[in-house]
Amino acid sequence: EAGVAQSPRYKIIEKRQSVAFWCNPISGHATLYWYQQILGQGPKLLIQFQNNGVVDDSQLPKDRFSAERLKGVDSTLKIQPAKLEDSAVYLCASSPFGGKSSYEQYFGPGTRLTVT
Amino acid sequence: KNQVEQSPQSLIILEGKNCTLQCNYTVSPFSNLRWYKQDTGRGPVSLTIMTFSENTKSNGRYTATLDADTKQSSLHITASQLSDSASYICVGSGYSTLTFGKGTMLLVSP
Repeated sequence: EAGVAQSPRYKIIEKRQSVAFWCNPISGHATLYWYQQILGQGPKLLIQFQNNGVVDDSQLPKDRFSAERLKGVDSTLKIQPAKLEDSAVYLCASSPFGGKSSYEQYFGPGTRLTVT
Repeated sequence: KNQVEQSPQSLIILEGKNCTLQCNYTVSPFSNLRWYKQDTGRGPVSLTIMTFSENTKSNGRYTATLDADTKQSSLHITASQLSDSASYICVGSGYSTLTFGKGTMLLVSP
């Protein structure tokens, strides 16, 4: 079974530039999450999708971050304009919908963003 | 406010030795307690998931315990291997949210 795919793996941009990350979840997984993990911290949820609908985006800085999940499969996370404090690893995770199996989240390898 | 505190922050042990990582959580409502292993440059991988009715769960050389009364959990690693070097993250799950700890960085030295 293929895992969660993310690209790019690394990105370096200057502040005020824009950047986009892509995630392809495990086939058939209805729930998709984007997390931000700052060095030395645990992941922080940015946004959760159920199919192509947003379930939770309470911690997403909406003035600069946006995310979409068209057709309920792939997802993109965009930052515009980037700030120095956005330097972090952006993790995508997916989970099946319904039942105890929905407890499990499967993480991708992450995209390491450096803002200079 | 939901919180998960882990200790120690970092730990160095010799290969073959055992170790125990600690987690204190305040998550309400509480659904389950998870432990993840995160290798450097990789995403977290689930080790165990325990509901409030489960006291212990094993996954190979990893054994997690849960005391729902004191809201404490531990992860015990037996006969450590070099490949166990990683960050171990404790996660408290409510019905719709996850609260992550900062992790314990474990280094297994030859």
